[in-house]
Amino acid sequence: ETGVTQSPTHLIKTRGQQVTLRCSSQSGHNTVSWYQQALGQGPQFIFQYYREEENGRGNFPPRFSGLQFPNYSSELNVNALELDDSALYLCASSPYSGEQYFGPGTRLTVT
Amino acid sequence: QKEVEQDPGPLSVPEGAIVSLNCTYSNSAFQYFMWYRQYSRKGPELLMYTYSSGNKEDGRFTAQVDKSSKYISLFIRDSQPSDSATYLCAMSENGGATNKLIFGTGTLLAVQP
Repeated sequence: ETGVTQSPTHLIKTRGQQVTLRCSSQSGHNTVSWYQQALGQGPQFIFQYYREEENGRGNFPPRFSGLQFPNYSSELNVNALELDDSALYLCASSPYSGEQYFGPGTRLTVT
Repeated sequence: QKEVEQDPGPLSVPEGAIVSLNCTYSNSAFQYFMWYRQYSRKGPELLMYTYSSGNKEDGRFTAQVDKSSKYISLFIRDSQPSDSATYLCAMSENGGATNKLIFGTGTLLAVQP
């Protein structure tokens, strides 16, 4: 059984650009959640997808959007990047029982 | 006031010590409580997942939840240098797959050989 994978590992973008981050869920998990973790902070909930529908959103602006695909993989898109968007972006997948298993994260630097 | 408070540390202990990590919270609707371990520049790894009040043991790790005091703890026995990491507590109101986790800021633990 493979774990949660994320790509890319890290990337550097310029303020105002757009970025797409990708996540492949653990086999058998139909829910994926995305979190933002700033340096020295705990992860903050961005949103969650369940069976391809958004199922809850944290306190993030609409320029943060996502998709979940039929194979339960997922994307996080961020438009109009700001310097404060620099963080580790984490994807977590969940089985029905509710434990969330995290991927290694994508480290985004906005300059 | 944050929903979940966690002492950021750093906490330094000698190898073999018993480590106590703690979180307090303000939202009485939290029912599910988790502890994650995060090594530097890695994703969080689930250590313990508990429901409501009580104790849960897994090897050298014991999680305690006291809902009346809104206080949770993780104890690590016979600590090892490999336990050096950031420990994050997390909580949610709902169980099942569609739950939103609220995290503490993490406690940095260093176990000295």
